[in-house]
Amino acid sequence: NAGVTQTPKFRVLKTGQSMTLLCAQDMNHEYMYWYRQDPGMGLRLIHYSVGEGTTAKGEVPDGYNVSRLKKQNFLLGLESAAPSQTSVYFCASSSQKGDTGELFFGEGSRLTVL
Amino acid sequence: SQQGEEDPQALSIQEGENATMNCSYKTSINNLQWYRQNSGRGLVHLILIRSNEREKHSGRLRVTLDTSKKSSSLLITASRAADTASYFCATDAISSGYALNFGKGTSLLVTP
Repeated sequence: NAGVTQTPKFRVLKTGQSMTLLCAQDMNHEYMYWYRQDPGMGLRLIHYSVGEGTTAKGEVPDGYNVSRLKKQNFLLGLESAAPSQTSVYFCASSSQKGDTGELFFGEGSRLTVL
Repeated sequence: SQQGEEDPQALSIQEGENATMNCSYKTSINNLQWYRQNSGRGLVHLILIRSNEREKHSGRLRVTLDTSKKSSSLLITASRAADTASYFCATDAISSGYALNFGKGTSLLVTP
């Protein structure tokens, strides 16, 4: 019973490098989200998707790109990593629109940019 | 911007005591949710309360909602050491219409 799986769990990057975080859910959920969590800042929404092939910007989208080519996967890309992107990234999914349904979270991906 | 703000930021109690956390938000909501996060883990949904509800219970959890004051509270009764975690309130994100906005959380420490 996997739920929401994020890979990798840990990654260290140098400034300017690129990488992709993968989120996979096996619950057939329509809605998927990427959040970042920083100390003292809580969770902030980066991008979200309301279905396969759709993406939309959240509160802090700059420096990130996303894709939802398959319903079960939501990818978060950093084209040119910056130290300000050091954070813990959480993916979540839900079967209903966010405010009406429960969000299921992955265990997080800890990214450090040197 | 974040819709909900939890208070206090940190709370330390002993086992058996009750823990109360508060959440204030800025604009009208449809629903409000509470989540829990153990250290180093993802968030887990605790309870959802709708805007037309005033109180809701789930096990040792009691949530109240006062839409006139734009505030909610989460009460954990008879706390246990295993309740040690951060607790977040979440409301609908007005800007997106689909996602949730989370507050900064209350860090609860329950000591044996």
